Amino acid sequence: EADIYQTPRYLVIGTGKKITLECSQTMGHDKMYWYQQDPGMELHLIHYSYGVNSTEKGDLSSESTVSRIRTEHFPLTLESARPSHTSQYLCASSEYGGTGGNSPLHFGNGTRLTVT
Amino acid sequence: AQSVTQLGSHVSVSEGALVLLRCNYSSSVPPYLFWYVQYPNQGLQLLLKYTSAATLVKGINGFEAEFKKSETSFHLTKPSAHMSDAAEYFCAVSAGGGFKTIFGAGTRLFVKA
Repeated sequence: EADIYQTPRYLVIGTGKKITLECSQTMGHDKMYWYQQDPGMELHLIHYSYGVNSTEKGDLSSESTVSRIRTEHFPLTLESARPSHTSQYLCASSEYGGTGGNSPLHFGNGTRLTVT
Repeated sequence: AQSVTQLGSHVSVSEGALVLLRCNYSSSVPPYLFWYVQYPNQGLQLLLKYTSAATLVKGINGFEAEFKKSETSFHLTKPSAHMSDAAEYFCAVSAGGGFKTIFGAGTRLFVKA
């Protein structure tokens, strides 16, 4: 069963629209992440959060923004969608872990976004 | 800095044959290594992880991986492929401060009847 939920699963939207991709987890994890996934490519980290009111940009430049007002919720917003934003977006969470790095990621099922 | 290279974007095996998916990593500090599997229209799920306790790591669904420091490798194996193993497999490394996980490009496994 999934403990991390993403909605919507699929979204087709026109250029210039504002969209928010939702992500919620019920595991009480401190760390949450957004990855962008394109076929045949590495997953690219676009945003992450260490906890409430903490957000950081990842390695891949992104025009999206995130917020972390509650531990369980980590939405991603695109103010003005463009065709170049067409991709799959995966949300994940992990325990913080004292030694860091050895906590696996728990992923949602993803949102497949198409911008026309 | 860390990096991961998965050799072969596609691997095809017959049902019952050995599965070998290759992963080499680069890390300036002792790494944590992971294999994830992704089935169609789903997110990634953890197969197994290496955290320095033992070099041979057993995971779910009969998969295992061996950490070889001298070869900077963490190859994934399964003695006998099943049709249900057809999926995409990602090797990942996490090390150092920041706790960011770096993924390889993935290997798609096809299993022929």
